[in-house]
Amino acid sequence: DVKVTQSSRYLVKRTGEKVFLECVQDMDHENMFWYRQDPGLGLRLIYFSYDVKMKEKGDIPEGYSVSREKKERFSLILESASTNQTSMYLCASSFSDRVETQYFGPGTRLLVL
Amino acid sequence: QKEVEQDPGPLSVPEGAIVSLNCTYSNSAFQYFMWYRQYSRKGPELLMYTYSSGNKEDGRFTAQVDKSSKYISLFIRDSQPSDSATYLCAMSQNQAGTALIFGKGTTLSVSS
Repeated sequence: DVKVTQSSRYLVKRTGEKVFLECVQDMDHENMFWYRQDPGLGLRLIYFSYDVKMKEKGDIPEGYSVSREKKERFSLILESASTNQTSMYLCASSFSDRVETQYFGPGTRLLVL
Repeated sequence: QKEVEQDPGPLSVPEGAIVSLNCTYSNSAFQYFMWYRQYSRKGPELLMYTYSSGNKEDGRFTAQVDKSSKYISLFIRDSQPSDSATYLCAMSQNQAGTALIFGKGTTLSVSS
């Protein structure tokens, strides 16, 4: 069974804090993705990575950075959290030649106060 | 115009009804069309995917793609309360390397 795990289900942080969201997959997938999901706005791609140390900006990269030092792990970093980054964050992974089948983690609900 | 448009609903139907969920898109380069299902407090999971035009059936679910109209549909027959979820359409130009473009999702509630 494919598993994508995210480090926290719920997180509460203060404005200005540095926030790390971790994602790990166990299927040897080349591609990994970070999305945020907001009511009325749907799923929006923040960053994706198609290989170790490679990254591509998605639709809304501002205020975020990512790190992929190992194939199985993809981290999302909020350098200085702001209240408008309160959201549900979803990580996903896929094989490079099967992009239609993305496997999602359970999500991290982040509240920035 | 957004690349992918999807009516957010909510859509409420009685058990046993036929449900039709739809998306329209503007990019004629899209070749792969997917439907994801997302239960409350869970991540989305792939329900069905179709390459290019045509129909695909899987049990009570049928996916249709009409590339000439840039319109895709998901039909659910004999809907069940367990089908209550948010359904997201997604599209891609090719199979490798590019990210998916998602619709905003339609929330479906099936009452018993």
